[in-house]
Amino acid sequence: EAGVTQFPSHSVIEKGQTVTLRCDPISGHDNLYWYRRVMGKEIKFLLHFVKESKQDESGMPNNRFLAERTGGTYSTLKVQPAELEDSGVYFCASSQVSSSNTGELFFGEGSRLTVL
Amino acid sequence: LAKTTQPISMDSYEGQEVNITCSHNNIATNDYITWYQQFPSQGPRFIIQGYKTKVTNEVASLFIPADRKSSTLSLPRVSLSDTAVYYCLVGDPLYGGATNKLIFGTGTLLAVQP
Repeated sequence: EAGVTQFPSHSVIEKGQTVTLRCDPISGHDNLYWYRRVMGKEIKFLLHFVKESKQDESGMPNNRFLAERTGGTYSTLKVQPAELEDSGVYFCASSQVSSSNTGELFFGEGSRLTVL
Repeated sequence: LAKTTQPISMDSYEGQEVNITCSHNNIATNDYITWYQQFPSQGPRFIIQGYKTKVTNEVASLFIPADRKSSTLSLPRVSLSDTAVYYCLVGDPLYGGATNKLIFGTGTLLAVQP
């Protein structure tokens, strides 16, 4: 079974440009999360989708960040315009909660964003 | 969401048992304790989860005292490949509609040497 896949693995852009990160969750997982780690800081929650709906976007830093999950399958996270402080690693995770599992999150390998 | 505190780093040698303790004084009644492992350039990976007493799987054991204000992850006979950051998190995984967002702390960097 394929795990959570993220694309691109690394993106280098200049300040002011736009970048779109993509996440393909594990097939059948309704829950999709975005996290990020900026340099020297802890991994921080950004937002949570349940299918195509945003359940919680309390961690989104500002309106330069836009996340979508049309059709409830893959998700994109767009940063426009990118700023230097947006550099970091963006992780996507998915899960499918039921009464018989642990609710664990399955993480992708992350997309490293470097803004110059 | 309860915060956790754990050592920043630990050193060990191959073949030793490693115990990483985490404190979570404000854990809520519905919260479980979950540990994740993260290797460089990878996302965190679930290791083990428990609510109380002891849980064991093929990778690790998790010890949780009666007051649940702390927990200890035990890795038996570590190898070089166990060098990673280990995160202790608390939360309600069966959230019943609320967001199961994880609050990551600094984690513990375990360095296993030959």
